[in-house]
Amino acid sequence: DGGITQSPKYLFRKEGQNVTLSCEQNLNHDAMYWYRQDPGQGLRLIYYSQIVNDFQKGDIAEGYSVSREKKESFPLTVTSAQKNPTAFYLCASAPPGQKTYNQPQHFGDGTRLSIL
Amino acid sequence: AQSVTQLDSHVSVSEGTPVLLRCNYSSSYSPSLFWYVQHPNKGLQLLLKYTSAATLVKGINGFEAEFKKSETSFHLTKPSAHMSDAAEYFCVVRGLAAGNKLTFGGGTRVLVKP
Repeated sequence: DGGITQSPKYLFRKEGQNVTLSCEQNLNHDAMYWYRQDPGQGLRLIYYSQIVNDFQKGDIAEGYSVSREKKESFPLTVTSAQKNPTAFYLCASAPPGQKTYNQPQHFGDGTRLSIL
Repeated sequence: AQSVTQLDSHVSVSEGTPVLLRCNYSSSYSPSLFWYVQHPNKGLQLLLKYTSAATLVKGINGFEAEFKKSETSFHLTKPSAHMSDAAEYFCVVRGLAAGNKLTFGGGTRVLVKP
């Protein structure tokens, strides 16, 4: 079955450490997204990518970095510059372009990041 | 610019009674609107979507929503709540902005009492 796989499910970060969250999709979608979810809040966009080797900052990109070397993969690195990284991180994908703007995004099951 | 307001952060219903989750939106263009459900420690699952076809949209698990342009609303309803409906629900708008980004409401947590 097609879908989005996020790993690991739980991740712990030490002070000053960078950690990378994995997101892989086999839906053949061009567009991929990273969101951060804090308790009792909606999702906030960190980064998004509409095509391989290209990505744009979302609303809360500071302290995060991404790469998009393959269509299937969009890893997110939480750097030591992100002072409050504890959150639930969700990856999503969707067909791109204005003609498909009414297509929903598909979500992975998330990674919960905590500080040691 | 676009925005979404979910009018209730928490809703409590008894099993077998109707559920109403309220959502108002603003958008510069004719938007696409979605309702997603999230169970604890899980990703978001699409319940239904409105894309300028029929204004009454039927989704999975007995949910439906009505798009009312004059009221800029997209309320979600279900005639009879089930215990498995206990979850958090998000109203989402997607417009013709760069990247076709989604804008999320703050969420409504539904509690279903036996």
